[in-house]
Amino acid sequence: KQEVTQIPAALSVPEGENLVLNCSFTDSAIYNLQWFRQDPGKGLTSLLLIQSSQREQTSGRLNASLDKSSGRSTLYIAASQPGDSATYLCAVTTSGTYKYIFGTGTRLKVLA
Amino acid sequence: GAGVSQSPSNKVTEKGKDVELRCDPISGHTALYWYRQSLGQGLEFLIYFQGNSAPDKSGLPSDRFSAERTGGSVSTLTIQRTQQEDSAVYLCASSGGTSIYEQYFGPGTRLTVT
Repeated sequence: KQEVTQIPAALSVPEGENLVLNCSFTDSAIYNLQWFRQDPGKGLTSLLLIQSSQREQTSGRLNASLDKSSGRSTLYIAASQPGDSATYLCAVTTSGTYKYIFGTGTRLKVLA
Repeated sequence: GAGVSQSPSNKVTEKGKDVELRCDPISGHTALYWYRQSLGQGLEFLIYFQGNSAPDKSGLPSDRFSAERTGGSVSTLTIQRTQQEDSAVYLCASSGGTSIYEQYFGPGTRLTVT
């Protein structure tokens, strides 16, 4: 059974810091991995999608990498801003299915 | 360019009543998903529709839960005889655009069973 874990569960950093959020999964036979952010009381906003054949994706200040063999993905946020404060979720689909298994989330707070 | 919409945004119901939650996916998206987000369980998959194929119902927690998707577009999630443990945020997502695997989520329906 696929299990997805995110570390740390919560993180507080001063504005301007570069930071790394971690996502690990137990079954390396994944099809896709997607990173989302969720603001309080809101739905999920898609950040980056990495397909199984890809190693990384970039969008603006965000970079996500994928290492299937070790069951890990990282989300790198450069020059963090208070507007980046949110909960970050990673989710994976296992080969043969399109349903996502979600991680436990990292609650990020960027202090001005 | 509308995103995924869900209604109602909030629903308070008494234990034992039936509720219907609605999802309008992004136009042209062939796949539609329902997930549930609760404090104790995180985000969990409920059901998945893809085109005219039989839905994947493997995540539905009990037979009180059902969902349908009419005309390959709008979907309704129905919970019969609601229980307090059904209280959660119900999220709908769709996929199938330019990036066929990328899921786009609606704002959710917060269900409170009293």
